[in-house]
Amino acid sequence: KAGVTQTPRYLIKTRGQQVTLSCSPISGHRSVSWYQQTPGQGLQFLFEYFSETQRNKGNFPGRFSGRQFSNSRSEMNVSTLELGDSALYLCASSLAEKGAGSPLHFGNGTRLTVT
Amino acid sequence: GQNIDQPTEMTATEGAIVQINCTYQTSGFNGLFWYQQHAGEAPTFLSYNVLDGLEEKGRFSSFLSRSKGYSYLLLKELQMKDSASYLCAVRPYGGATNKLIFGTGTLLAVQP
Repeated sequence: KAGVTQTPRYLIKTRGQQVTLSCSPISGHRSVSWYQQTPGQGLQFLFEYFSETQRNKGNFPGRFSGRQFSNSRSEMNVSTLELGDSALYLCASSLAEKGAGSPLHFGNGTRLTVT
Repeated sequence: GQNIDQPTEMTATEGAIVQINCTYQTSGFNGLFWYQQHAGEAPTFLSYNVLDGLEEKGRFSSFLSRSKGYSYLLLKELQMKDSASYLCAVRPYGGATNKLIFGTGTLLAVQP
């Protein structure tokens, strides 16, 4: 079974631009979450989708948005990029609807550099 | 608030045993996870604890004390490939969410 796939692996953007990142979850997984990873802050939760509905959102500005499609694939968008948005963006999928012991399965991430 | 603490770095010797501690203060508790992350790679799931006690899985074991807000990951018979970052994560909420709160990770260096 294929794992979580994120594209692209690397991105370099300029301040003020916008970017869209893509995530394909493991087949059969309907829960998709996004995390931002930076050396100082670790993994910070961005948002979570289940069956095309956002059911949880982290403490990030409105420039960060996402969506999920009917095939469970997800995208996240960051508008008006700032230097501080440079990070590794990780997508994770999960089998269970209601958490419990079902782990998150992470993709390799998209490394975003804002110059 | 939500707070998860782990040591930033640890060093151990090949063949030895190492214990990585994690303490947490969260508004709720519905399980604790340990993940391993090699540089440039995805975090991979190691273990899950929701009840007090020890969960053993091969060379890796994880312990939880809910009353103390404390967990540790025990790695036995260390190998060079165990050099990685180890992430402690708490699921604070029940209900319909898979949201996890992560610590900043412990970077383990295994030396020959």
